[in-house]
Amino acid sequence: QVQLVEAGGGVVQPGGSLTLSCAASGFAFSSFGIHWVRQTAGKGLEWVAFIRYDGVNKFYADSVKGRFTISRDNSKNEVHLQMDSLKTEDTAVYHCARGIWIGTPGHWFDPWGQGVQVTVSS
Amino acid sequence: DIVMTQSPATLSVSPGERVTLSCRASQSLSSYLAWYQHRPGRAPSLLIYGASTRATGIPDRFTGGGSGTEFTLTISSLQSEDSAVYFCQQYDTWPPTFGQGTKVEVK
Repeated sequence: QVQLVEAGGGVVQPGGSLTLSCAASGFAFSSFGIHWVRQTAGKGLEWVAFIRYDGVNKFYADSVKGRFTISRDNSKNEVHLQMDSLKTEDTAVYHCARGIWIGTPGHWFDPWGQGVQVTVSS
Repeated sequence: DIVMTQSPATLSVSPGERVTLSCRASQSLSSYLAWYQHRPGRAPSLLIYGASTRATGIPDRFTGGGSGTEFTLTISSLQSEDSAVYFCQQYDTWPPTFGQGTKVEVK
């Protein structure tokens, strides 16, 4: 069964740090790029970051660039999102998702993880 | 970034009825559009990609249509398990962007 499971969410003060993990199973992990997407009630879904299958290329949303770092360990089938200098507006449910590309300009996402809550509050 | 606008925000529909959801893009996407279903407490799941291709295992009551800037998702005969938020996503231009979603309630 193709599956992604997130972990590491929690409550953190503004300016603090948190690292999320995404554990993959059921597919050839090292052949796929992985995205992080966050969801809030107010802003809906926002793409956050992407790491290519081999970890060479990484891309970030402008809203998190310079504060978030995405990485992967293909030996452990894991992707991590290190979040530093957190702001209240980073409060959201964070999903990881496998990117599917078949020569298209971009990716669609399949599957998604259930998500993990990150709350930034004093 | 491409702005995706979905309508309506909410629908309340009886079982067996036909439902059509709309997704509009701020610029042409060709057919690079996906639809997802998000049921409470579950991971979002892929329904449609390429604007009209059903993902593996998706019932044929779900039909995607459109191209360019106007897209639709039709559920031909609504079932109780279709209660969910449905959202669209463009993958024509980086970064990928999403619509705000349409909440479908089954009466």
